[in-house]
Amino acid sequence: DGGITQSPKYLFRKEGQNVTLSCEQNLNHDAMYWYRQDPGQGLRLIYYSQIVNDFQKGDIAEGYSVSREKKESFPLTVTSAQKNPTAFYLCASSGVRGLSGNTIYFGEGSWLTVV
Amino acid sequence: DAKTTQPNSMESNEEEPVHLPCNHSTISGTDYIHWYRQLPSQGPEYVIHGLTSNVNNRMASLAIAEDRKSSTLILHRATLRDAAVYYCILFLYNQGGKLIFGQGTELSVKP
Repeated sequence: DGGITQSPKYLFRKEGQNVTLSCEQNLNHDAMYWYRQDPGQGLRLIYYSQIVNDFQKGDIAEGYSVSREKKESFPLTVTSAQKNPTAFYLCASSGVRGLSGNTIYFGEGSWLTVV
Repeated sequence: DAKTTQPNSMESNEEEPVHLPCNHSTISGTDYIHWYRQLPSQGPEYVIHGLTSNVNNRMASLAIAEDRKSSTLILHRATLRDAAVYYCILFLYNQGGKLIFGQGTELSVKP
């Protein structure tokens, strides 16, 4: 079955470390997204990518980096420059063209905690 | 910039209909309206989506205003399992699928 997979589900980061969250989809979707969610809050866009080798900053991109070397993969790196990284991170993908229309799929999320 | 506005919270009684509103006055002609719901610490779950016409599926109905500047998600008979945060999302087709989230409405259902 097609779907979107995030890993790991739980991740701990020490101060000053970079960590990378994985997001993989086998839906042949063009667009992929990363969102941050703080407890009791809505989703805020970090980065999104419409096509391979291209991505745009969202509302809160500072302290984060992404790459889109393959259509299936959109990893998010939380750098040491992100001063308050403890949050729930959600990856999503959507089809924009063709048979996949404009469906949106979300991963199950990753909890990042700074220790 | 595109934007969606939702009430922060709503209450319903079990077995009664629920109408969750969303304002999107800046919507353009090619923007789709999606509704998702989320339980704590889980990814959002698809509910329904539409462009211009009202839509029905097994979970809910979506009523879209004629001018498309607002929409309403209708749960016909609320159950305790429907308690969640409901997000209205604009899918910006002409911007490569950029998603605009509302702040979400927390729905509580009383037995």
